Amino acid sequence: SQQGEEDPQALSIQEGENATMNCSYKTSINNLQWYRQNSGRGLVHLILIRSNEREKHSGRLRVTLDTSKKSSSLLITASRAADTASYFCATDGGGSYIPTFGRGTSLIVHP
Amino acid sequence: DAGITQSPRYKITETGRQVTLMCHQTWSHSYMFWYRQDLGHGLRLIYYSAAADITDKGEVPDGYVVSRSKTENFPLTLESATRSQTSVYFCASNNRGAYEQYFGPGTRLTVT
Repeated sequence: SQQGEEDPQALSIQEGENATMNCSYKTSINNLQWYRQNSGRGLVHLILIRSNEREKHSGRLRVTLDTSKKSSSLLITASRAADTASYFCATDGGGSYIPTFGRGTSLIVHP
Repeated sequence: DAGITQSPRYKITETGRQVTLMCHQTWSHSYMFWYRQDLGHGLRLIYYSAAADITDKGEVPDGYVVSRSKTENFPLTLESATRSQTSVYFCASNNRGAYEQYFGPGTRLTVT
């Protein structure tokens, strides 16, 4: 069963707007990662945040982690049509460093 | 070419047939993984390997067999394919001590 669950399942926005997607998980984690998947392609790693970190930035991406709420958010600022993809969170925890993936958020950015 | 490759990219097979999906990586990564991706289920781990000759089950291993005689190769075999194994299969790898996984392009398998 999936550890992380993304919300919303689908998101449709206009180019230039910000996109926010969330990931909730059930048990304590070591790390949380976000991946992007373009249609018909493999997943691509975007960013990793450790359990003792609260926020990380990478270009237009901002990830926050709230371990007390067992949730994370991925913010993509100034979205572009090329950001259209599915976004997955992956968590690892307990004695395992093997990540477990959620079902993903499908993001559509309209030009 | 450097990277992680999968073959074939598309495969149609009949129920009961054996089929092998290939995965090859050029980075000498220690860990390799097989996932299947289905609508409504996201990405589920089938098997993984921590090194050559070391494999372990994931969340959905039934009906699948893996081997890893060489670090760079991690084939996945469906010994007797069933329609429920129709899916997109992804291979991934990462190095020991690293968490970021590198994914192959996927194999779309249809079992008729």
